Amino acid sequence: DAGVTQSPTHLIKTRGQQVTLRCSPKSGHDTVSWYQQALGQGPQFIFQYYEEEERQRGNFPDRFSGHQFPNYSSELNVNALLLGDSALYLCASSLVQATYGYTFGSGTRLTVV
Amino acid sequence: QQQVKQSPQSLIVQKGGISIINCAYENTAFDYFPWYQQFPGKGPALLIAIRPDVSEKKEGRFTISFNKSAKQFSLHIMDSQPGDSATYFCAASYNNDMRFGAGTRLTVKP
Repeated sequence: DAGVTQSPTHLIKTRGQQVTLRCSPKSGHDTVSWYQQALGQGPQFIFQYYEEEERQRGNFPDRFSGHQFPNYSSELNVNALLLGDSALYLCASSLVQATYGYTFGSGTRLTVV
Repeated sequence: QQQVKQSPQSLIVQKGGISIINCAYENTAFDYFPWYQQFPGKGPALLIAIRPDVSEKKEGRFTISFNKSAKQFSLHIMDSQPGDSATYFCAASYNNDMRFGAGTRLTVKP
């Protein structure tokens, strides 16, 4: 049973560019949450998708947007990249009606230069 | 806004010792409190979790103690091993919305 799959694993972008990160949830999960984890910090909640809609959103600017597809996979888009966007981006999947723990992917390491 | 506060930032213990990490939360609506373990280059992995209707949960060498009135919970790692060296995150969740503490880097010395 595959867990959460994220791609790519590493990415280097130039300031001002746009980036798209991808996530395939664990089989049977219907909800995808995205987190930003800066070096040495805890994961910060970006947003959550369920039924192809943004269900909840953390304190991130509109440059951060997302999408969920009918197969529950998800994308995170970041526009106008800033140096401060350099971080590990984590995707976590879960079942919307269940409050047990999320399953995390290994993340995408984004470096903005 | 820091909804979950975690301490200490780093912890060094000797092999066989007890590691204790503490967390405090503000939102009384939280109803699920997991602990995650993260190794370098990997995503967090669920270690153990508790709901507020119990005061303690033990799984092997790992124990969560929960104090609802104080809005605090802690992770105890008994007989700590070098393989336990990792970063540990507490979290709190409500309505499938999970928020994390800043993490504790644990080093277990042989």
